[in-house]
Amino acid sequence: SQKIEQNSEALNIQEGKTATLTCNYTNYSPAYLQWYRQDPGRGPVFLLLIRENEKEKRKERLKVTFDTTLKQSLFHITASQPADSATYLCALVRSSASKIIFGSGTRLSIRP
Amino acid sequence: DAGITQSPRHKVTETGTPVTLRCHQTENHRYMYWYRQDPGHGLRLIHYSYGVKDTDKGEVSDGYSVSRSKTEDFLLTLESATSSQTSVYFCAISEDGLSGANVLTFGAGSRLTVL
Repeated sequence: SQKIEQNSEALNIQEGKTATLTCNYTNYSPAYLQWYRQDPGRGPVFLLLIRENEKEKRKERLKVTFDTTLKQSLFHITASQPADSATYLCALVRSSASKIIFGSGTRLSIRP
Repeated sequence: DAGITQSPRHKVTETGTPVTLRCHQTENHRYMYWYRQDPGHGLRLIHYSYGVKDTDKGEVSDGYSVSRSKTEDFLLTLESATSSQTSVYFCAISEDGLSGANVLTFGAGSRLTVL
């Protein structure tokens, strides 16, 4: 069956460091991979997407990589700030498919 | 959460009672989704709709039904609520469900407790 795993349930790092979150998948061939941010008590908010033929995508302090051979995506936040503390979800999308499958998320805490 | 509202935001009910959650959008998006979110399971797709009266099942559809009689409204019904359906329910909309991008915009969620 299809499976998406995000490397750890929680990640705690020092302000200013780079946070790296991992998303691994099996039995799936996504055409796109998306990352969302979710704050407590709120719905997820879209951050970035990367296509299967793209190796890397950047947006301000965010960087996403996508390795279809390893079946893995890495999500980086550089120069992390306490305001980056949230749960981050990866999601997989097949081409021409309406269903989007989510991982269980990684709760990121940035300590001052 | 502009353009998408869920109601009720909080509900407590008893086992065996019917419950309906409503998702209303003002974006005129074709695709609408219902997810549930539970600790350790993340977001799981219950049902989705790709147009008025057009719906399909997700990965955890048992015990749930949906209806979409208008573009702007997508209803999720629990015919006979069970304690295992205690969860936070999120509605999401998408402009183009067939493009790979298919970016979702989520509502604020509806917290349901079944006693």
